[in-house]
Amino acid sequence: AQKITQTQPGMFVQEKEAVTLDCTYDTSDPSYGLFWYKQPSSGEMIFLIYQGSYDQQNATEGRYSLNFQKARKSANLVISASQLGDSAMYFCAMREVNNAGNMLTFGGGTRLMVKP
Amino acid sequence: TAGITQAPTSQILAAGRSMTLRCTQDMRHNAMYWYRQDLGLGLRLIHYSNTAGTTGKGEVPDGYSVSRANTDDFPLTLASAVPSQTSVYFCASSPSPTTDTQYFGPGTRLTVL
Repeated sequence: AQKITQTQPGMFVQEKEAVTLDCTYDTSDPSYGLFWYKQPSSGEMIFLIYQGSYDQQNATEGRYSLNFQKARKSANLVISASQLGDSAMYFCAMREVNNAGNMLTFGGGTRLMVKP
Repeated sequence: TAGITQAPTSQILAAGRSMTLRCTQDMRHNAMYWYRQDLGLGLRLIHYSNTAGTTGKGEVPDGYSVSRANTDDFPLTLASAVPSQTSVYFCASSPSPTTDTQYFGPGTRLTVL
């Protein structure tokens, strides 16, 4: 079974509007972390936001927020006030405490395209 | 600040040849990682190192080896490349094995013909 599922291969959003990128995960580990990375066309992986499984509050970083619903095992990324520079691939990833090497397990990604 | 550097940026390699991908970080991070990203997919861990002198296997280690002689460098070697190793390779580091955020280098695009 997939550990990280991103069901939206591609999405469009109008500039200045908000957009939600979906991520569901599967783990039996009570302690885990969830991450979102951005990969623009230039190829680098840029860390955006992190949510720990025991964190009470949803994480926020500037225009990025993480809608963490633990019971539903979802960790959706919300980007407010989209900008043209937000056009990129977005990857959700999970780290489980009990896996070797602090490995991140990645989803297949969502390509976001921001329309002017 | 340099952060993580990788070399080469890209490479075309004949099948059966060996190659070492280089990764250097200047953040004094203890933990380092090698991932591969295949077209249209997320990243998969090849090998990792929690601290200098130690290494471990990730999800897809076959055909690859690593060493960690010091804190800064974490080279990845393909002893005898095969076409299925065509991929983009990312090196990453984190301050400690249990620190949550991993920071990535710019990647090396490798094509094996």
